[in-house]
Amino acid sequence: GQNIDQPTEMTATEGAIVQINCTYQTSGFNGLFWYQQHAGEAPTFLSYNVLDGLEEKGRFSSFLSRSKGYSYLLLKELQMKDSASYLCAVKGATNKLIFGTGTLLAVQP
Amino acid sequence: KAGVTQTPRYLIKTRGQQVTLSCSPISGHRSVSWYQQTPGQGLQFLFEYFSETQRNKGNFPGRFSGRQFSNSRSEMNVSTLELGDSALYLCASSSDWGPSYEQYFGPGTRLTVT
Repeated sequence: GQNIDQPTEMTATEGAIVQINCTYQTSGFNGLFWYQQHAGEAPTFLSYNVLDGLEEKGRFSSFLSRSKGYSYLLLKELQMKDSASYLCAVKGATNKLIFGTGTLLAVQP
Repeated sequence: KAGVTQTPRYLIKTRGQQVTLSCSPISGHRSVSWYQQTPGQGLQFLFEYFSETQRNKGNFPGRFSGRQFSNSRSEMNVSTLELGDSALYLCASSSDWGPSYEQYFGPGTRLTVT
């Protein structure tokens, strides 16, 4: 079967660093995506990993270990506007994009 | 460049009715995917179309169907609506079909079935 696990909720403080983990078991692997979704809005693309290692993009970084079926999204210098749901999604062998249920991040002052 | 548009934004239907939702992708994008989002299940893949052909299909009953037109616009139809079909339906487009192409999401259609 296909399964993507993320923590349901996390809380962090403004200015801090937070790591959101994602583990997956899928039929085949063609890449892992992270999306951000603010309440009532559409998901927006954050990052794409297909090879092992760290991809850095400004305050956001994403890491992938294919052998462990594991990824994390690292958010640095947290801002209040980072309060949102973060969705981990994997493209399997057939190129279907399978989403986890998302991690709701609350940034507190 | 205009983003992905979806119409209508909100819809209220009664059990047993049918509904058609529309999605206009970003200009030049040929791939359109549809997702159902509910609080308990998260985002679930419905189907993907590329150049008017269905490339992928999720695990939804046959009541859910879709199509894509030559201008890449897409519609999805749900027949014999059930209460459990109440959800946010999201459409996403990408420039091509393949693993690395990121998807751009529209604002969604909020469907309520009473």
